[in-house]
Amino acid sequence: GQSLEQPSEVTAVEGAIVQINCTYQTSGFYGLSWYQQHDGGAPTFLSYNALDGLEETGRFSSFLSRSDSYGYLLLQELQMKDSASYFCAVPDSSYKLIFGSGTRLLVRP
Amino acid sequence: DSGVTQTPKHLITATGQRVTLRCSPRSGDLSVYWYQQSLDQGLQFLIHYYNGEERAKGNILERFSAQQFPDLHSELNLSSLELGDSALYFCASSKLQGARTEAFFGQGTRLTVV
Repeated sequence: GQSLEQPSEVTAVEGAIVQINCTYQTSGFYGLSWYQQHDGGAPTFLSYNALDGLEETGRFSSFLSRSDSYGYLLLQELQMKDSASYFCAVPDSSYKLIFGSGTRLLVRP
Repeated sequence: DSGVTQTPKHLITATGQRVTLRCSPRSGDLSVYWYQQSLDQGLQFLIHYYNGEERAKGNILERFSAQQFPDLHSELNLSSLELGDSALYFCASSKLQGARTEAFFGQGTRLTVV
């Protein structure tokens, strides 16, 4: 089966950098994705890593280490609007897309 | 706008009743996923359809059922509703099986069972 672990909550200051970690256990590996969800809103796709290394998209970057079954989402130049929940997710060989329990990010002024 | 349409946006119903939630995927997407999200909880995978066929099931209750029609829209049927079924129900679509790149989510249906 699949399982993913993320911290439940992270707090950071506006303008700072924050890293949200995700460790996973899967029976097969097909990549690690990250999604953002504002309260009451729909999850929206942020990034996807299939290979080791860093993928950068504007202020957001995502990193993957397949040998460590570990990835992280890095948010730079934090803005108040970045306050949201962030989920890592993995698809599995049986076509499920499984999400972690989510990390609630609170950005303070 | 993700291109995924869910109706209705809100639904209030009594215990013991049956409801149907509808999802229209993005144009060209063959995969539809259903998720349940209870208050301050994560996204619990319910079921996945690809091009009309069921592909994977999560911990979906026997009271719940789903189907994907030839035009690719999907419906999630919830019956004998209980208070604990109150949640946000999301559907998501993707081009491929397994959403190995990205999945696009609808705005969800907020179900309240009273």
